[in-house]
Amino acid sequence: DIVMTQSPSSLAMSVGQKVTMTCNSSQSLLNTSNQKNFLAWCQQKPGQSPKLLVYFASTRESGVPDRFIGSGSGTDFTLTISSVQAEDLADYFCQQHYSTPFTFGSGTKLEIK
Amino acid sequence: DVQLQESGPGLVKPSQSLSLTCSVTGYSITSGYYWNWIRQFPGNKLEWMGYISYDGTNNYNPSLKNRISITRDTSKNQFFLKLNSVTTEDTATYYCARGWLLSYWGQGTLVTVSA
Repeated sequence: DIVMTQSPSSLAMSVGQKVTMTCNSSQSLLNTSNQKNFLAWCQQKPGQSPKLLVYFASTRESGVPDRFIGSGSGTDFTLTISSVQAEDLADYFCQQHYSTPFTFGSGTKLEIK
Repeated sequence: DVQLQESGPGLVKPSQSLSLTCSVTGYSITSGYYWNWIRQFPGNKLEWMGYISYDGTNNYNPSLKNRISITRDTSKNQFFLKLNSVTTEDTATYYCARGWLLSYWGQGTLVTVSA
């Protein structure tokens, strides 16, 4: 199985600050046939189900604010929130869909100061 | 709009089987995509359990060994999870979700395994 490692496990930021969280995979998620990284980010707000934010490492899902920026390739990935808002309070998970079994990171909990 | 809704018993006894239904509206489960079951344990760890594809093929997480079965009723646009021989470690919130991108999720249903 591909192991997904996220850091930090939690962070607390003030509104307007830039937030960066990372996700590393135990093997490359780059599909060489289409040059796409099979890495997604999802957001889970308190009491809600997860919601897809970013796929192919850097493509925002429709309707996702442009302050959410995914980057990275191979085994190292980053989710950046350029200017965090109060409504971004949530857990953030990375997920690989390169091969089954699909696996998730353990999550980063974002708290707003 | 695509919507998924889980349903089933909230309490299951150890050694029994867990059975859940995912009802899908707004899209036919035979038109495309993988149709997944995912669970989230207390403490928030997520585990992909398996899927049934639009063409009826299955793919299961080997960690669940031979305990899992995902089937469907195309006439009702529903798919089902059955997990056998449950233990307290199967206590979790169970979600159904569409596609390998998991672009649509149900609201989840908490299943507690307890005597």
